Amino acid sequence: GQNIDQPTEMTATEGAIVQINCTYQTSGFNGLFWYQQHAGEAPTFLSYNVLDGLEEKGRFSSFLSRSKGYSYLLLKELQMKDSASYLCAVMDSNYQLIWGAGTKLIIKP
Amino acid sequence: DAMVIQNPRYQVTQFGKPVTLSCSQTLNHNVMYWYQQKSSQAPKLLFHYYDKDFNNEADTPDNFQSRRPNTSFCFLDIRSPGLGDAAMYLCATSRTLAGADTQYFGPGTRLTVL
Repeated sequence: GQNIDQPTEMTATEGAIVQINCTYQTSGFNGLFWYQQHAGEAPTFLSYNVLDGLEEKGRFSSFLSRSKGYSYLLLKELQMKDSASYLCAVMDSNYQLIWGAGTKLIIKP
Repeated sequence: DAMVIQNPRYQVTQFGKPVTLSCSQTLNHNVMYWYQQKSSQAPKLLFHYYDKDFNNEADTPDNFQSRRPNTSFCFLDIRSPGLGDAAMYLCATSRTLAGADTQYFGPGTRLTVL
């Protein structure tokens, strides 16, 4: 079966750095997405990786290793507004998005 | 500047009473999706349209139907809502089905079933 694993919850301090990991087993691979979802709101797109390596976009970076079935989202200089769930999703060989359940990130002052 | 619009944002219905949720987009995207998301769970794809081509997920109950009368609009019909259908319903669009084409989400409709 297809599976996306990510931690259920993480806590970090304002101003610090946090890394959210995601491992996946899917039938085929056409890219990995990270979305941010605030409580009661829709997911918003953060990043897309299809080749191995690090993609940097401001305070957020996303890393992919296809051979390991592994990605992480790195958030720097954490702000209180970064408190949200972070969803990892993989597009499989049928171009269907397989979603993780999300990691709830709690930022403390 | 809203690109994917969902109405209403909050919908209350009674057990067994049909309800329709609507989604419109200004992106002129070919693909429109409907997801169901329950609290602290991953979004679950119900179906998608590629233009007029309808694709139903194998485990989507018959209780859920969809219509796409034109490129801009897509509707989700729940014929006989049960208590288990209370959830957030998310509409999303993408230009194509290709991997690099990001899905853009609307704000969602939170459905309550009494």
